[in-house]
Amino acid sequence: EAQVTQNPRYLITVTGKKLTVTCSQNMNHEYMSWYRQDPGLGLRQIYYSMNVEVTDKGDVPEGYKVSRKEKRNFPLILESPSPNQTSLYFCASSYRGVSGWSNQPQHFGDGTRLSIL
Amino acid sequence: SQQGEEDPQALSIQEGENATMNCSYKTSINNLQWYRQNSGRGLVHLILIRSNEREKHSGRLRVTLDTSKKSSSLLITASRAADTASYFCATAPLSGSRLTFGEGTQLTVNP
Repeated sequence: EAQVTQNPRYLITVTGKKLTVTCSQNMNHEYMSWYRQDPGLGLRQIYYSMNVEVTDKGDVPEGYKVSRKEKRNFPLILESPSPNQTSLYFCASSYRGVSGWSNQPQHFGDGTRLSIL
Repeated sequence: SQQGEEDPQALSIQEGENATMNCSYKTSINNLQWYRQNSGRGLVHLILIRSNEREKHSGRLRVTLDTSKKSSSLLITASRAADTASYFCATAPLSGSRLTFGEGTQLTVNP
């Protein structure tokens, strides 16, 4: 089954304790992205990757890191989490396609709810 | 501020009725996409309409795009309780690599 898998689905942790949220897709997609969803603010892009070893900042990258060492995986790293990073996080992927990734539907994971105390 | 803004924020209708949601945006776009999010789940792509298209259909969904007014609408006909979800529009810019989402419309379809 074609899917984007995020782990963990839920995590409660404390300020300053490094954590990684994993994202894996089995569709051989070139483009992958991380979003956070907050009430009243919609989805905001954190980082994206056009292909292996190519990453770039989205709208709200501060406090986050990513890496793209393999095509299927795109982990999100919070080196020193803070309470303002409490949010619902989504990973998404898509094909690049002939006319570019933005003309392709994005496939989303089911989300990771992070609570940072 | 967000590129796409949905209206209304919330909509409650009876099963069988039609539901219309609107999206406005600020800058020129390559395409506009609509997504659905069921409670506790990720977003699911519904339909993509390119800037040179005016109307598109998919099953019970009808999307229109008016680039002169920078607006789009999503019509769900003969709604069902299973259509209860949040609906988001997302705009893809002419250049650049960011898909920008609105805040969504919460649709409730009462049986």
